[in-house]
Amino acid sequence: GQQVMQIPQYQHVQEGEDFTTYCNSSTTLSNIQWYKQRPGGHPVFLIQLVKSGEVKKQKRLTFQFGEAKKNSSLHITATQTTDVGTYFCAGPGSNDYKLSFGAGTTVTVRA
Amino acid sequence: DADVTQTPRNRITKTGKRIMLECSQTKGHDRMYWYRQDPGLGLRLIYYSFDVKDINKGEISDGYSVSRQAQAKFSLSLESAIPNQTALYFCATSGMGVETQYFGPGTRLLVL
Repeated sequence: GQQVMQIPQYQHVQEGEDFTTYCNSSTTLSNIQWYKQRPGGHPVFLIQLVKSGEVKKQKRLTFQFGEAKKNSSLHITATQTTDVGTYFCAGPGSNDYKLSFGAGTTVTVRA
Repeated sequence: DADVTQTPRNRITKTGKRIMLECSQTKGHDRMYWYRQDPGLGLRLIYYSFDVKDINKGEISDGYSVSRQAQAKFSLSLESAIPNQTALYFCATSGMGVETQYFGPGTRLLVL
């Protein structure tokens, strides 16, 4: 079955620094979604990428979908304490519309 | 989102007990899902339903059952709870197609 993998599992970042988290799928995806879960909270949708090579930005967050539509990345610039949480990527299966989630990257920030 | 609610928010039960977790939504979505979250394992799909008469097993359905009582309600039951079912459980909804999923606040379950 489809597998979605994320690296790294944990990211410890100094406030103000940049970092990138990566998502890889074992199969080609029709789209990829990113979610953020704050500590003690629930996953909240951030963005969806559909086109090969697509890049979208949300303030300091830059999302990219790979040319082969099998990988994606999230780059955060000038990390702030509000960026703390777990970021999940998720992609749909080939035969139906349910999502497969990666294990997530948990981000902590040192002030 | 407040549009997706889960009850109870926290539950402590004993091994062998039957318990039910409930999910309700006011988003008018047809599709509903139950996930389990464990540290380091992300969100794993237990069951999902694409409409009232449709129930499908996810990747970890053993030991669980569900009921879709109405478009807006989807319940998860643990027939005989065991300690390794201790986890955070989320309900989610989505519209037609591969669309955004909206998650409830979660139920934290502890099985002793």
